[in-house]
Amino acid sequence: DTEVTQTPKHLVMGMTNKKSLKCEQHMGHRAMYWYKQKAKKPPELMFVYSYEKLSINESVPSRFSPECPNSSLLNLHLHALQPEDSALYLCASSRPGMNTEAFFGQGTRLTVV
Amino acid sequence: AQKVTQAQTEISVVEKEDVTLDCVYETRDTTYYLFWYKQPPSGELVFLIRRNSFDEQNEISGRYSWNFQKSTSSFNFTITASQVVDSAVYFCALSEPPTGANNLFFGTGTRLTVIP
Repeated sequence: DTEVTQTPKHLVMGMTNKKSLKCEQHMGHRAMYWYKQKAKKPPELMFVYSYEKLSINESVPSRFSPECPNSSLLNLHLHALQPEDSALYLCASSRPGMNTEAFFGQGTRLTVV
Repeated sequence: AQKVTQAQTEISVVEKEDVTLDCVYETRDTTYYLFWYKQPPSGELVFLIRRNSFDEQNEISGRYSWNFQKSTSSFNFTITASQVVDSAVYFCALSEPPTGANNLFFGTGTRLTVIP
């Protein structure tokens, strides 16, 4: 099973809403990632969790709050987002360390209205 | 600092033609990793290949081949006998330690359209 599952696939939320994006993998990977991809742009790294601990936060605004409840799950909590936060949010997982590839989910397409 | 340049924004080829996607990278590290990912319209990024900086051996996988040349800091990707299913955006990416092999810095991508 080489699958990373993200829910929901699509999300429309208002600027005052609170919502969460979910990501799940059962490959035994101990590194998980959130990337943000704007239209016609490459993905940009947001957060990295290694062994369920946040290891990298790429200066992401606090309205994005990641959580890794266990080694299989990764959440991204959203609050008070802006329309410019509309994007495809991609989750990925990999074995920790060097020389390993990341497996990506299909993403959540988020629209903030 | 790291940088990946994919100068070709869009390429169109007719089915069965060969096509090469260019990738030039820039890094100060001697140890680094290079990747190619495919992003079809469905959105997920599909891993194609990983190369570390000490392995310059070129690789062939079916219709896909990769040419890694450290002397020119290039990691080009060739699709032979292209098919409509190859239509996608292709990203070249770079990762450097110590931040980890999958803290990927992506190039801007090349959109490949294969015309039947």
